[in-house]
Amino acid sequence: DQQVKQNSPSLSVQEGRISILNCDYTNSMFDYFLWYKKYPAEGPTFLISISSIKDKNEDGRFTVFLNKSAKHLSLHIVPSQPGDSAVYFCAPGHTGANSKLTFGKGITLSVRP
Amino acid sequence: KAGVTQTPRYLIKTRGQQVTLSCSPISGHRSVSWYQQTPGQGLQFLFEYFSETQRNKGNFPGRFSGRQFSNSRSEMNVSTLELGDSALYLCASSHGTSGGEQFFGPGTRLTVL
Repeated sequence: DQQVKQNSPSLSVQEGRISILNCDYTNSMFDYFLWYKKYPAEGPTFLISISSIKDKNEDGRFTVFLNKSAKHLSLHIVPSQPGDSAVYFCAPGHTGANSKLTFGKGITLSVRP
Repeated sequence: KAGVTQTPRYLIKTRGQQVTLSCSPISGHRSVSWYQQTPGQGLQFLFEYFSETQRNKGNFPGRFSGRQFSNSRSEMNVSTLELGDSALYLCASSHGTSGGEQFFGPGTRLTVL
């Protein structure tokens, strides 16, 4: 039972353009959502989060949008840079599960110079 | 502030053996979570320890166990290793509150021959 789906395993965009990474979930208990970025041979690093009481959170070039009714969120990166090339994980959690996170399988983003 | 450290970084074992992995969290963090990353399954939650008690558990067989010490350092043990246990094992530390960011270590790459 896959509670978190990142259906596009990979995405390639041109430097300077927008990258949009999507994530769908099925568990309505999720009430906060984190995005992590992972480079090869390193652990994931936190990127941005959003609470279920919000529909948008912005931090510099990164914006996350949440559509609760559709159980869908997306991460926008504008403008994309070659250093953004990595695997991006959507990781929701819910207060009833304390700090447990459920990770999607990740999307490999490649930003072409 | 020092980050999350994991030892060893690489490990090669044979089927049937057992292995112990270690994780030192960020100072002041009381929660340590363990995840298994494989190419096909992404990051899967193993368990979480908070103040020396297992607080959450994922869907892994009993061969996978862990513990946490009074200084919040945690160990994970896998007994009777199988080929399918080959993976990157990541630990993450946090204050243990819902919605809080988890900080990951670099992982231990386990290869079972």
